[in-house]
Amino acid sequence: DTGVSQNPRHKITKRGQNVTFRCDPISEHNRLYWYRQTLGQGPEFLTYFQNEAQLEKSRLLSDRFSAERPKGSFSTLEIQRTEQGDSAMYLCASSSKPGTGYNEQFFGPGTRLTVL
Amino acid sequence: AQSVTQPDIHITVSEGASLELRCNYSYGATPYLFWYVQSPGQGLQLLLKYFSGDTLVQGIKGFEAEFKRSQSSFNLRKPSVHWSDAAEYFCAVAVATGFQKLVFGTGTRLLVSP
Repeated sequence: DTGVSQNPRHKITKRGQNVTFRCDPISEHNRLYWYRQTLGQGPEFLTYFQNEAQLEKSRLLSDRFSAERPKGSFSTLEIQRTEQGDSAMYLCASSSKPGTGYNEQFFGPGTRLTVL
Repeated sequence: AQSVTQPDIHITVSEGASLELRCNYSYGATPYLFWYVQSPGQGLQLLLKYFSGDTLVQGIKGFEAEFKRSQSSFNLRKPSVHWSDAAEYFCAVAVATGFQKLVFGTGTRLLVSP
């Protein structure tokens, strides 16, 4: 178990460019979450996958954002036509589906996006 | 809707002194409550969690937290702070049903002075 990994760790881009981030969850986890963390704030939920199905999206996820999880394994988060307001840390987390109760979400190290 | 308030943006504690970080939550039912720590450039590490039962929960690195339903609080404590504890601390609540997203507070940055 190598934990949740995210690539790249850092991304600097110019306004208007497209960027894509990748998240590899813990292998046996079927739930995957994306969060966004801006400076001085706590992480905010963006979207959730159970296996390959995207079941929930936050209002924070504008039309320029799209997320996929083909085959229920890794996930990608793409931002089109980036804006300076998109500068943030993008965190991925995974968990297994609980039988009852709650299963811990394990977080990756994040991808820090800077839009110039 | 659920929410979390961490009233202290920054706290400075001398090394060896005790620590208490405050957290208040708003949630209609019995919450799942968490404390996470984030070091610079790192992801989030779970310190401890409360689901039910004993209201005083023990976590890693010598941290503990007490759930007080009457005060809607879940304060984090440590009896003796080490310089390596300097980091950002986040309190979070999870919805108990559905996909169980986490709702985080804005965090408290802990500074440890020698």
